[in-house]
Amino acid sequence: GAGVSQSPSNKVTEKGKDVELRCDPISGHTALYWYRQSLGQGLEFLIYFQGNSAPDKSGLPSDRFSAERTGGSVSTLTIQRTQQEDSAVYLCASSSMRQGYEQYFGPGTRLTVT
Amino acid sequence: GESVGLHLPTLSVQEGDNSIINCAYSNSASDYFIWYKQESGKGPQFIIDIRSNMDKRQGQRVTVLLNKTVKHLSLQIAATQPGDSAVYFCAENRNYGQNFVFGPGTRLSVLP
Repeated sequence: GAGVSQSPSNKVTEKGKDVELRCDPISGHTALYWYRQSLGQGLEFLIYFQGNSAPDKSGLPSDRFSAERTGGSVSTLTIQRTQQEDSAVYLCASSSMRQGYEQYFGPGTRLTVT
Repeated sequence: GESVGLHLPTLSVQEGDNSIINCAYSNSASDYFIWYKQESGKGPQFIIDIRSNMDKRQGQRVTVLLNKTVKHLSLQIAATQPGDSAVYFCAENRNYGQNFVFGPGTRLSVLP
């Protein structure tokens, strides 16, 4: 596709439910990042995938958060037993070494936990 | 964390004036820096980058200055336009391709 896409654009869920957020990176980009952005705040790094290497999970805030990247392309961020403090915009970005490491961001998924 | 809570630093400038947005970075080993622009409801968008072997880089209407001695980065926007209104983030990186650490952001408001 032309850019990074994310789905859904908005998700409202009840506390305690599990959610899955999807990211489709730019075709051919080997690196994929997930960030969380709370209202009016900066970007908090969550997880990073690079090719077939083991992902860098150092930013995941708790074991309720996990992410997968299948076939080196699409990624899914899963939040189990959601809490109200999980409410935020979840941003995905992809990059390619051939393009100088610039990260291309998707529009984000706004998650609201009620 | 790096957040400043719900109140982002705000810079208000008159349309046509030059804007300077500042960023202090945290890691003296960081060797690559990017400025991003984030408009309301959208993901961040790349503006300009600079590597640590440079102290200045110019783009179209934008200039990034890097002072490694004091770990300071600035973004200068010439002849600021209403479309420049957004939140601007600096990001630092060590070991190209690994984690980027984002600053808390500055909201730029362009006054008519």
